[in-house]
Amino acid sequence: EDKVVQSPLSLVVHEGDTVTLNCSYEVTNFRSLLWYKQEKKAPTFLFMLTSSGIEKKSGRLSSILDKKELSSILNITATQTGDSAIYLCAVVRGSNYKLTFGKGTLLTVNP
Amino acid sequence: KAGVTQTPRYLIKTRGQQVTLSCSPISGHRSVSWYQQTPGQGLQFLFEYFSETQRNKGNFPGRFSGRQFSNSRSEMNVSTLELGDSALYLCASSLDSVSGANVLTFGAGSRLTVL
Repeated sequence: EDKVVQSPLSLVVHEGDTVTLNCSYEVTNFRSLLWYKQEKKAPTFLFMLTSSGIEKKSGRLSSILDKKELSSILNITATQTGDSAIYLCAVVRGSNYKLTFGKGTLLTVNP
Repeated sequence: KAGVTQTPRYLIKTRGQQVTLSCSPISGHRSVSWYQQTPGQGLQFLFEYFSETQRNKGNFPGRFSGRQFSNSRSEMNVSTLELGDSALYLCASSLDSVSGANVLTFGAGSRLTVL
């Protein structure tokens, strides 16, 4: 059974701090890894990482895939209160394209 | 371009009842997936439909079922509701998972409370 483990489960920081969220996985026939941000209800897509695209960056957010270590990190620099959310990691199995999500990291950014 | 639409947004049921949730995917998206989200378990995969066929299924009991119509709209049904079924049910659509376009777009969810 595919497994995705995120750490830490929750994190409290102050505005301006830099945070690193972790995602490790065990999946048969890995295809891709995705990061989502969930503020209220609907998770919104952040990044997709694959063997051909192991590093992505958008503004203050960046993510790296380490296929050797079967893990990924999501970095957020100069955090803002608007970054407070649950960050979800998911992996896609190549054989049937099934997504498995981790339990998420709850990030709280205090002013 | 309209997003993924889920109805109803909130509902309250009692144990033993059944419930049907609806999901309209983004126009052109043929794959629809359903997830159950609870504070303790995170997002758990229920099932995925593509072209009216169930292509993947999670580890939920048979009380949970779904279907997809020819216009890609999907419904899921939970029969004989239990207290533990209280959760946020999220629907997500994508273009076509076979092509590798696995970026799911989620709806706002249906919040089910079972009393």
